[in-house]
Order: sequence, then C-alpha cells, then structure tokens
Amino acid sequence: DTGVSQDPRHKITKRGQNVTFRCDPISEHNRLYWYRQTLGQGPEFLTYFQNEAQLEKSRLLSDRFSAERPKGSFSTLEIQRTEQGDSAMYLCASSLRADTQYFGPGTRLTVL
Amino acid sequence: AQSVTQLDSQVPVFEEAPVELRCNYSSSVSVYLFWYVQYPNQGLQLLLKYLSGSTLVKGINGFEAEFNKSQTSFHLRKPSVHISDTAEYFCAVSDQTGANNLFFGTGTRLTVIP
Repeated sequence: DTGVSQDPRHKITKRGQNVTFRCDPISEHNRLYWYRQTLGQGPEFLTYFQNEAQLEKSRLLSDRFSAERPKGSFSTLEIQRTEQGDSAMYLCASSLRADTQYFGPGTRLTVL
Repeated sequence: AQSVTQLDSQVPVFEEAPVELRCNYSSSVSVYLFWYVQYPNQGLQLLLKYLSGSTLVKGINGFEAEFNKSQTSFHLRKPSVHISDTAEYFCAVSDQTGANNLFFGTGTRLTVIP
C-alpha cells in the first residue's frame, strides 16, 4: 500500500492552455474522487468514479473539465482553455468502502 | 444536501494546553463524520471518523471527537497539544449511501504557541 499518488505536484500554465493531471489510487480501491481546493477553503467535490464508470459530477465541473478512468485504475483530469479562476489545488482520493477516503498530496495549478 | 460549519477559522493555543475545535453539520439523511488534518502544501490525512456505535471516537496523534446527534455537532479535542499539531483541520460529512462524496467545512487553523 503506497498511498494515493498524483502527478505533477505543481503545474504553472498560461491562460488558454490545456492541462492534464493524473491520479493513481491505492491498488484495489474501486472508488475514486476528485476535489478542488482554493486558498482558505475546504475541498469541494468535483466528480466520482466507481471502477471505470463516472457516476457523479458536481455543477462545479464545467464543460471545460473532463475526467476519465479508462481501466478502473488510474484517473486523469483535464482542463481545457484554462482560466485564472482555475488556479487551485486539485486533490484525488480513493476508497475501498463507502466510509473512508484516502487523499493524495494534490496537484497545485497556477494559471498566469 | 449536507453542509458543515466550523465556527472558528483560527485557534491559537499554548503548547501542552487543551484544545477544542468546533464543528456543526446539517443533513436530512444519516451521515458519516470525519476530521482531516492538512499540513502546508500537503494532502489531507484522516484523523478520525464516526460511522456508528460509540459517540466518542479516538483517532491518531491523541485526538478524539464526540458525536452529538441532538446538537448536530462533532467537536475535536486534544488534552495537550504539541508544536507539531500546528496545521489546518477540516471537518467533513458524507452520505451513508450513494457516492459518499465529502462535504467539508472551511477549516480551522490551529497554531500552537511555544
């Protein structure tokens, strides 16, 4: 059990560029979540996968955001045409049961 | 929908003193309750959780919390804090069914003063 990993840890991009983040959950965890955390706030839910199926999406997940989990293992979160308001920490979490989520270290995105 | 209120945004406390971080929640369904800690530039680490059963739950690093259903509260306590406890603490709730995504409070910054 090596924990949840996320890559990259930091990303700086220019407004209008596309970015993609990767999350590797704890092996055998079938549930995977993405959250976004802005400065001074608690994390906010973005989307949820059970195995490869995306079962829930928040209203925060605009059309510029897309997430995939193609083989039910790792997941990617892509943001197209980034805006300065997208600057945040993007957190991934995984769980085996419904009751406990384990978080990765996060990817900090800065949009210039 | 669920919501979480953390009543104190910042709590300064002297080393070896006791501390209580307050959390109230609102929900129309049964929930699970959690406390997470976040150190600078890091992800969230689970401190403790309440799923069912005894209303007093013990977690890591000497922390404990008590679930009070009538007051819809889940306050976090530690009898004697250390410098290393300086961090951001988040209270969170989730449904017991469905996606179980977490709803977080805005956090409480605990600063331990030497």
